[in-house]
Amino acid sequence: GDSVTQMEGPVTLSEEAFLTINCTYTATGYPSLFWYVQYPGEGLQLLLKATKADDKGSNKGFEATYRKETTSFHLEKGSVQVSDSAVYFCALSEYPGGYNKLIFGAGTRLAVHP
Amino acid sequence: EAGVAQSPRYKIIEKRQSVAFWCNPISGHATLYWYQQILGQGPKLLIQFQNNGVVDDSQLPKDRFSAERLKGVDSTLKIQPAKLEDSAVYLCASSDASGLSYEQYFGPGTRLTVT
Repeated sequence: GDSVTQMEGPVTLSEEAFLTINCTYTATGYPSLFWYVQYPGEGLQLLLKATKADDKGSNKGFEATYRKETTSFHLEKGSVQVSDSAVYFCALSEYPGGYNKLIFGAGTRLAVHP
Repeated sequence: EAGVAQSPRYKIIEKRQSVAFWCNPISGHATLYWYQQILGQGPKLLIQFQNNGVVDDSQLPKDRFSAERLKGVDSTLKIQPAKLEDSAVYLCASSDASGLSYEQYFGPGTRLTVT
């Protein structure tokens, strides 16, 4: 079945460091890809998305490019802040229409220190 | 705009007891989802409703879990009887069923501990 694999955490960085969180997927069709973020004590929030190959999603300085040839959707940010500390989830959806069941990776915890 | 509401936020029960969780989706959202998030794992879909009909309940343990969405608005998820492995965060999400938006909006979750 469809699945998502993310790099294990925790990832610990100093403020202003470069961030990469790896995500690869297995899917039978052409999924849409997402990054969700969960800040401490809060619910999951959509960070960015991409719906077809070579699309780049971006938001709040984070970027991820849909790479069909490597089945990857790695999350990057050029300069992290303490406020970026959270758990990040990569996810896919096989259904481009209204029935968008999400399949999540295990999550990667990011801790940013001043 | 109010977000997805869930209650209670925390619940501790003993095994073999029953428990119920409540979710109120964003106004006008026709699609509602219940996910189970076990510690250290990503959320897993338990059941999906479109209005008050079930779209997908393939991963719902139907011998102990049940869910309903009366009148296509609020939803309740019940576990009876609970097992130790049911300890998890139960997340409710909703989305616009127009087919044009992929975004699911999540509530804060209910953390269940079964002892």
